[in-house]
Amino acid sequence: GAVVSQHPSRVICKSGTSVKIECRSLDFQATTMFWYRQFPKKSLMLMATSNEGSKATYEQGVEKDKFLINHASLTLSTLTVTSAHPEDSSFYICSAESSRGRRYEQYFGPGTRLTVT
Amino acid sequence: QKEVEQDPGPLSVPEGAIVSLNCTYSNSAFQYFMWYRQYSRKGPELLMYTYSSGNKEDGRFTAQVDKSSKYISLFIRDSQPSDSATYLCASNTGNQFYFGTGTSLTVIP
Repeated sequence: GAVVSQHPSRVICKSGTSVKIECRSLDFQATTMFWYRQFPKKSLMLMATSNEGSKATYEQGVEKDKFLINHASLTLSTLTVTSAHPEDSSFYICSAESSRGRRYEQYFGPGTRLTVT
Repeated sequence: QKEVEQDPGPLSVPEGAIVSLNCTYSNSAFQYFMWYRQYSRKGPELLMYTYSSGNKEDGRFTAQVDKSSKYISLFIRDSQPSDSATYLCASNTGNQFYFGTGTSLTVIP
């Protein structure tokens, strides 16, 4: 299967600082990448859909100025959590989309555990 | 009503048991149905996908879709402790994906 990497896997930062998370599709080109947030024992919550070369589409309730998404190439998308606060502590997962004809598949990264102190 | 509903469990079974995981969905436009497995502190990994009604088998895993009742299932035969994980069902229409809440499964040796 396709491989998606995420970096860093774990980050601890102080309140008020910004954190950047990278998502890379290693062996395929992804025109679309997704960013999810997952709380303990909860399902994936889609935050935004990122298309290469265009602005991300944010889900309702997700602050675009707080969660900056850049999809500069077909293999890289970044999520920057700006002015992080403890309530931003969560597990952030990206996925990259591979399309084969009419079928879409999502391949997930391993996730980034963010802890804001 | 959520697009995809899934019982969160937790589900605990003895090793060797047959496990049945189930989801229901509401959108008749859904085309593909997926099952993801997520180990603790890891991202989900695609386990199986099916298109249309019917069964799909892969080793100990069988995915089943009944479009008439909008019901999707994953069966695990001869369950192993290594199967202990959270299983998420998902479906999509185009590139819009909808996930269930996930069912936490523990297989006890």
